[in-house]
Amino acid sequence: QSILTQPPSASGTPGQTVTISCSGSSSNVGRNAVNWYRQLPGTAPKLLIYSHIQRPSGVPDRFSASKSGTSASLAISGLQSEDEAGYFCAAWDDSLNGWMFGGGTILTVL
Amino acid sequence: VQLVQSGAEIKKPGESLTISCVGSGYNFMKYWISWVRQMPGKGLEWMGRIDPSDSYINYSPSFQGHVTISADKSIGTAYLQWTTLKASDTAMYFCARHSNYPPDYWGQGTLVTVSS
Repeated sequence: QSILTQPPSASGTPGQTVTISCSGSSSNVGRNAVNWYRQLPGTAPKLLIYSHIQRPSGVPDRFSASKSGTSASLAISGLQSEDEAGYFCAAWDDSLNGWMFGGGTILTVL
Repeated sequence: VQLVQSGAEIKKPGESLTISCVGSGYNFMKYWISWVRQMPGKGLEWMGRIDPSDSYINYSPSFQGHVTISADKSIGTAYLQWTTLKASDTAMYFCARHSNYPPDYWGQGTLVTVSS
């Protein structure tokens, strides 16, 4: 099954800003809203950003997202050790008629 | 809102299995339930979804014919079923609810291990 393309890993030091990219196609990222999830090992994904830029209640504004064409990105500013986790992008795919997820990016805080 | 999944399973190749996902704290019939696979150390894969109000289902082509999704709206429960398990089915399986927005509430996951 095709997936949205993310870098497998990213890293940064405390206080830095880290950006994670997500690349798709015209049937998913190019046409529909991009959403972002955070996942800690052994737990379910947690919605971080939806409809490109909206944050659920409780998600700090250090997390922001953007989209251009068939690519999107998640930015985490003021990096903290607790931000270490896996991050996944997701978008509805019109061809699949279902959800397309990214391969995931493991973020390490050095 | 809660989605509570059935417990971990250890099965042999060729065996059958059904895992469940019980929704509570919301109107079960107003949200789709999707099933998502996560193989060890890998990303998330959407398997298919069901509308509990009328049991309309659509599957990802990658999973069509190998799993069956169903739901019993009277007890607010969705199911994922295999008739013939393979070792390659070893994974964590999540259920998640969604509407016009992305999956917001997820089950805790059910670990399925298939080994001889």
